[in-house]
Amino acid sequence: GENVEQHPSTLSVQEGDSAVIKCTYSDSASNYFPWYKQELGKGPQLIIDIRSNVGEKKDQRIAVTLNKTAKHFSLHITETQPEDSAVYFCAASNQAGTALIFGKGTTLSVSS
Amino acid sequence: NAGVTQTPKFRILKIGQSMTLQCAQDMNHNYMYWYRQDPGMGLKLIYYSVGAGITDKGEVPNGYNVSRSTTEDFPLRLELAAPSQTSVYFCASSYSAGSNTEAFFGQGTRLTVV
Repeated sequence: GENVEQHPSTLSVQEGDSAVIKCTYSDSASNYFPWYKQELGKGPQLIIDIRSNVGEKKDQRIAVTLNKTAKHFSLHITETQPEDSAVYFCAASNQAGTALIFGKGTTLSVSS
Repeated sequence: NAGVTQTPKFRILKIGQSMTLQCAQDMNHNYMYWYRQDPGMGLKLIYYSVGAGITDKGEVPNGYNVSRSTTEDFPLRLELAAPSQTSVYFCASSYSAGSNTEAFFGQGTRLTVV
């Protein structure tokens, strides 16, 4: 089945720096790649997503890139702020297109 | 519009007991999911449903059962609780396109089996 690898598992940056989280997936049939942010004690929330017919997507300080040939996608956060501190998950659609398979998560800490 | 509602928020079970985790959504979504979250392991798919009356196994279905008698509700049943089922459980739903649209998550149920 689909497997999603996510790196790094923890990431510490200074406020104002950029943060990059990378994911790889195994199933070439995957065509939807969302990123979720999970704050302490809450359920994950979608922050940005990308589909296989797009190479890059940006929403203010957040951007996602997708390389279908290499089967990897990345989340870029610029000008980080303390409120960006959270656990971030990447995901990829399963082969049947019926559910999402998640990476193990990255704990991002932004210090001021 | 409450979104996805999970009950209870916390529960402690003894080994061998059974319980049902409730999940309800008011967004008229066809797709619903159950995930478990263990520290450092991300979210693992337990079961999912593409519509009322239809359920399917995910990555880690052993020890669990589900039913989907209505569009709104998707309960998760643990028949014989084991310590390995100690986890945080999340229910989610999405529009009819399934994995190609945003999944909305509930607040989670923290379950401890002792």
